[in-house]
Amino acid sequence: AQKVTQAQTEISVVEKEDVTLDCVYETRDTTYYLFWYKQPPSGELVFLIRRNSFDEQNEISGRYSWNFQKSTSSFNFTITASQVVDSAVYFCALSEAGGYNQGGKLIFGQGTELSVKP
Amino acid sequence: EAQVTQNPRYLITVTGKKLTVTCSQNMNHEYMSWYRQDPGLGLRQIYYSMNVEVTDKGDVPEGYKVSRKEKRNFPLILESPSPNQTSLYFCASSFASGAYEQYFGPGTRLTVT
Repeated sequence: AQKVTQAQTEISVVEKEDVTLDCVYETRDTTYYLFWYKQPPSGELVFLIRRNSFDEQNEISGRYSWNFQKSTSSFNFTITASQVVDSAVYFCALSEAGGYNQGGKLIFGQGTELSVKP
Repeated sequence: EAQVTQNPRYLITVTGKKLTVTCSQNMNHEYMSWYRQDPGLGLRQIYYSMNVEVTDKGDVPEGYKVSRKEKRNFPLILESPSPNQTSLYFCASSFASGAYEQYFGPGTRLTVT
């Protein structure tokens, strides 16, 4: 079965702290894609990153970094030196390739609500 | 600016009154999709479209219709809305299904009384 689990429902940190958001996925497919989206209080869904199952290289973009480990089926997201503007709900999502996903849908985790306090 | 637009952003309506939520993208994407977001249930796919005139059901299609007559537009139609369709709706588009990131519209908050 395909599933995305974000075990942390809410995280609260103080500005400048580093914070890691966990994502664990389950899939039947050998080819799949992982994503992170941000949903700020204004409500829109903002795409952050895409990773395919063949590429386990970690990625860094400014204060954001992502750690993909197939061995543990995890795709964790770290924000370094957090800022108040990082306060949002963050979603991890999975898309399977091929016949398991005719509809091209994204399977979302339940989201982690991050609150960064000044 | 590359974007997905939805209208209206907010809508309060009554049970049974037909409504349409419009969705348009300017990125020449082939794939478009509708999701609804509900507390405790997360984001679920309603319908999707691989290309013009090609649409199919997602996980929660009951009570909804869609059409894809032009590549850029993918309206969501509620023929007879009911209170259980009160939700936050998102339209999304991507270059193709599965492998590519989906870009989401700003959302439409629908309340059916």
